[in-house]
Parts: sequence; structure tokens; C-alpha cells
Amino acid sequence: DTGVSQNPRHKITKRGQNVTFRCDPISEHNRLYWYRQTLGQGPEFLTYFQNEAQLEKSRLLSDRFSAERPKGSFSTLEIQRTEQGDSAMYLCASSLRDRVMDGYTFGSGTRLTVV
Amino acid sequence: AQTVTQSQPEMSVQEAETVTLSCTYDTSENNYYLFWYKQPPSRQMILVIRQEAYKQQNATENRFSVNFQKAAKSFSLKISDSQLGDTAMYFCAFMMYSGGGADGLTFGKGTHLIIQP
Repeated sequence: DTGVSQNPRHKITKRGQNVTFRCDPISEHNRLYWYRQTLGQGPEFLTYFQNEAQLEKSRLLSDRFSAERPKGSFSTLEIQRTEQGDSAMYLCASSLRDRVMDGYTFGSGTRLTVV
Repeated sequence: AQTVTQSQPEMSVQEAETVTLSCTYDTSENNYYLFWYKQPPSRQMILVIRQEAYKQQNATENRFSVNFQKAAKSFSLKISDSQLGDTAMYFCAFMMYSGGGADGLTFGKGTHLIIQP
């Protein structure tokens, strides 16, 4: 297993466009998390999945943000009608439900720039 | 809601020196986990060390150790014999025990550690 994979690594988009990011977790991990990291800040929790179920989504930043994990494997994070304030690093992480105390394995992130 | 505070935005030390990064947190929970993560430039975040709140013994991983003071809600990271590869952002993070970590990790703002040759 090569760890948590995120694509693309970088995305530049025009304001108002929709963007979608993909995360492939460690294959045996049943939990998958999305975080946003802005410059000079620590990662901010957005949402998480246990298998295909999205168990926490109240912290998604607005209704323009949505995430899916249709078959309990990879996940996508979509931002509709992007704004300049959405420019950030979007991090994905995964873990085993019964081993969350071991911490998460993070991907390298997708850096979004909205122009 | 939990908060994590890292009061040192940046620190710089010479190679081979010992450095301590500070972290305080605020919670009403009694059972929780604490973590230090390292984020090298343009690379993924990796776990450095973790501590369970119910354990009094401070965690140690090779050159990395913590000073966990539960009553003071303090969780500092000590790096001994610092190396150039230790240059990175370091984040302190908190996770509640209840709910099986469903609230995710709460991170501090980070400390940028620079190891000078």
C-alpha cells in the first residue's frame, strides 16, 4: 500500500467554477476524513466517513461543499461556485475505526487556488 | 468545544541542540488523546508521537519525547539532538476519547521549527 493518495496535487480555477478532488485512502482503513488548511493555520476538520456513511458533515463550510464515498473506498470533495476564500490546501486522511488513537495517515493534499 | 494553542509561531535552533515546542489545550473531557504531527515543506503530515490522557507516563519515540501535564493542560514536545531533517511545521492536536474520535482531530496553528546547520 502506498499510503493515502490525493489528486490532483494542484488545482487552479476561476471564481465561480466547480472543482472536485479525489482521495484514495489506505485500503483497509474504514474511516476517511477531509480537512482544510489555510496559510498559517492548522488543519480544520470538515467531514468524515465510516465506510460509505458520512457520519459528520455539520462542519462543512457552506452548502457549496459536499463529499461522497460511494463504495466505501475512494472519496471525492466537491466545491461548487468557488470563491477566492476557498483557496487553501485540502487534506485527506484515513484510519481504522478501532484504532483512531493511533492517529491518522494523511495524504499530501490538493492545493486549490481560485483566481 | 476543544481548543489547542501553540504560542510559538517560529523557533530556530542549531543542529544537535535540544528544542522544546509548547502546546496547551482546553477541554472539559477527562479522557482524550494528544498528538504531535510534523509537516515538512510541501510534504504530507506525519505522526511524531502520541499520548493517551489516562497514562501518566510521558511518551517517548527515539529523539522525541513529551512532557504531559494533565492538570495544567500542557503537552510539550522535546526534540533531542536536533537534525536538519527536523525542519518542518509541527502541529499539536487533540482528539476526544468519547465517540470514538468522531469529532476528528483539533489542531493548533503550528510552530515552524528551523534547524540551522
